[in-house]
Amino acid sequence: EAEVAQSPRYKITEKSQAVAFWCDPISGHATLYWYRQILGQGPELLVQFQDESVVDDSQLPKDRFSAERLKGVDSTLKIQPAELGDSAMYLCASSLLAQAPGGQYFGPGTRLTVL
Amino acid sequence: KQEVTQIPAALSVPEGENLVLNCSFTDSAIYNLQWFRQDPGKGLTSLLLIQSSQREQTSGRLNASLDKSSGRSTLYIAASQPGDSATYLCAVRDSNYQLIWGAGTKLIIKP
Repeated sequence: EAEVAQSPRYKITEKSQAVAFWCDPISGHATLYWYRQILGQGPELLVQFQDESVVDDSQLPKDRFSAERLKGVDSTLKIQPAELGDSAMYLCASSLLAQAPGGQYFGPGTRLTVL
Repeated sequence: KQEVTQIPAALSVPEGENLVLNCSFTDSAIYNLQWFRQDPGKGLTSLLLIQSSQREQTSGRLNASLDKSSGRSTLYIAASQPGDSATYLCAVRDSNYQLIWGAGTKLIIKP
């Protein structure tokens, strides 16, 4: 069964350092999502791509976060510089289309700890 | 603004019991509602998706219901097992086609 791949699974960094996360969606899925999930809370959408275009980044802290999906396939989320409050699980999800009735499929996530 | 609430935040029951998890939402204008499972430190696994026109969906020991008019959904788990221990989250797709999430219910099944 096709899965969403993410790497790394765990990342420990010091504040002010740069970190990057990678996501490879299910083949053929045009829509890709990056979420941040703080422990004990539901996921918060950071950015949504339709193919290579950003369709929603209203909750992305653009002073330090950036995301790209250059060829409309895999995607990278970057934080520079990392802050203590960025410690969270970063989840990537994909769907066939933005309005796919079948919902979103999630990867295993990247657990970020900022020291 | 759509808000999704899950009560209780945590639930502990003995193995073998049937149980119900609750999800409520403030705006009935939704496209669908989805239940997810999340194991500690892991990603999310979709369990059931109910379209706005549907009343329930079933998968194995799981049954999810949707009452749009009252803004409620329930996830029924029959004959609970220790392996069912996880956090269960519900999410509604609102009128802007955004997923709005609850904070989850942490379920512990005691052997």
